[in-house]
Amino acid sequence: EVQLVESGGGLVQPGGSLRLSCAASGFTFSSYSMNWVRQAPGKGLEWVSYISSSSSTIYYADSVKGRFTISRDNAKNSLYLQMNSLRDEDTAVYYCAREDTARDDAFDIWGQGTMVTVSS
Amino acid sequence: QSVLTQPPSVSGAPGQRVTISCTGSSSNIGAGYDVHWYQQLPGTAPKLLIYGNSNRPSGVPDRFSGSKSGTSASLAISGLQAEDEADYYCQSYDSSLSVFGTGTKVTVL
Repeated sequence: EVQLVESGGGLVQPGGSLRLSCAASGFTFSSYSMNWVRQAPGKGLEWVSYISSSSSTIYYADSVKGRFTISRDNAKNSLYLQMNSLRDEDTAVYYCAREDTARDDAFDIWGQGTMVTVSS
Repeated sequence: QSVLTQPPSVSGAPGQRVTISCTGSSSNIGAGYDVHWYQQLPGTAPKLLIYGNSNRPSGVPDRFSGSKSGTSASLAISGLQAEDEADYYCQSYDSSLSVFGTGTKVTVL
């Protein structure tokens, strides 16, 4: 079964750090670009970051640039998001999503999400 | 603040047809980027509904259809059913970065 499972969320104080992980299974992880997307409570979807299959290309939303770092380990079938200098407005459910070139780069597989709460 | 604008809500009776618009600009949809649509049922992760403007992944009912013209795109749901009650988001690219629409809540009356 094709699956993405996020972990690493939790409660952190403003200014703190957290590292999210996304474990992939059921497909050749190293062949796909990946993304992080977040959703604040009661709000819409916000794209956060993109990483190409070989990690050669990385993009960030302006709202997280300089604070978040996306990375991947193809040998471990895993995607990561290192989040530093966290702010209240980073509170959200964080989803990892697979980008499929066969479907015009749509996000065809999503994880169940992991909740990050930034609060003192 | 998203660069893709959707109506906050639309509603319809069972069996009716509803449409959701996704309005962009010359730097995103109008630049030729594809539009994708996602359905998010309450308490669940988004699910791909339409890709490449008008294509349905396997398993998505043909009641759902998408189109794109100029700087806008639309999602149509015909024969509305109770299980279609959900949030719907469009997605495209702006200067090579992914962007989501503001989201639309569909209510089945």
